[in-house]
Amino acid sequence: DGGITQSPKYLFRKEGQNVTLSCEQNLNHDAMYWYRQDPGQGLRLIYYSQIVNDFQKGDIAEGYSVSREKKESFPLTVTSAQKNPTAFYLCASNGVTNTQYFGPGTRLTVL
Amino acid sequence: AQSVTQLDSQVPVFEEAPVELRCNYSSSVSVYLFWYVQYPNQGLQLLLKYLSGSTLVESINGFEAEFNKSQTSFHLRKPSVHISDTAEYFCAVSAPGGATNKLIFGTGTLLAVQP
Repeated sequence: DGGITQSPKYLFRKEGQNVTLSCEQNLNHDAMYWYRQDPGQGLRLIYYSQIVNDFQKGDIAEGYSVSREKKESFPLTVTSAQKNPTAFYLCASNGVTNTQYFGPGTRLTVL
Repeated sequence: AQSVTQLDSQVPVFEEAPVELRCNYSSSVSVYLFWYVQYPNQGLQLLLKYLSGSTLVESINGFEAEFNKSQTSFHLRKPSVHISDTAEYFCAVSAPGGATNKLIFGTGTLLAVQP
């Protein structure tokens, strides 16, 4: 089955820790995206990548980093510089006609 | 630049009643429009989309939306809702042929269907 997988489903971070969220797709899409979702605020774009080895900051990139070494993979690292990381994180990839397909999400909680 | 406004943060409705979730957008160029649905603790699922052609688009589970260019709206409707339709619904817009293919999302509308 083609789709997008995210792992882990739940993640707990201690103060000062970096954590990495995984996103993999087998849809052969070039473009991939990371969003953060907070209650009542909709989705906010963190980073996006339109092609391997290239990525751009979104609207709220501070405290986050990404890499795009393979077409299928777009991991997101939440660094210790992100002061309020507790949120639901969604990965997406872009098919034709700007249609984005989403993974199941990772819920990150700071202990 | 594009923007999206979902006027209602929450819409309560009784089962089997009709419902309309409102979405207005702003753009200086032509647009693609989307509705996504999100069930609790899950990712977003594409419900329907308008790209071009017929202004009325339908989903497989009875929802429909109509693109109204003069009113810059893309309201989502269903003539009779079920308990299982309870979810959050997001409207989104993008510009065809844009360099980044980014989607701009509204803040979401929680559809709460009551028995």
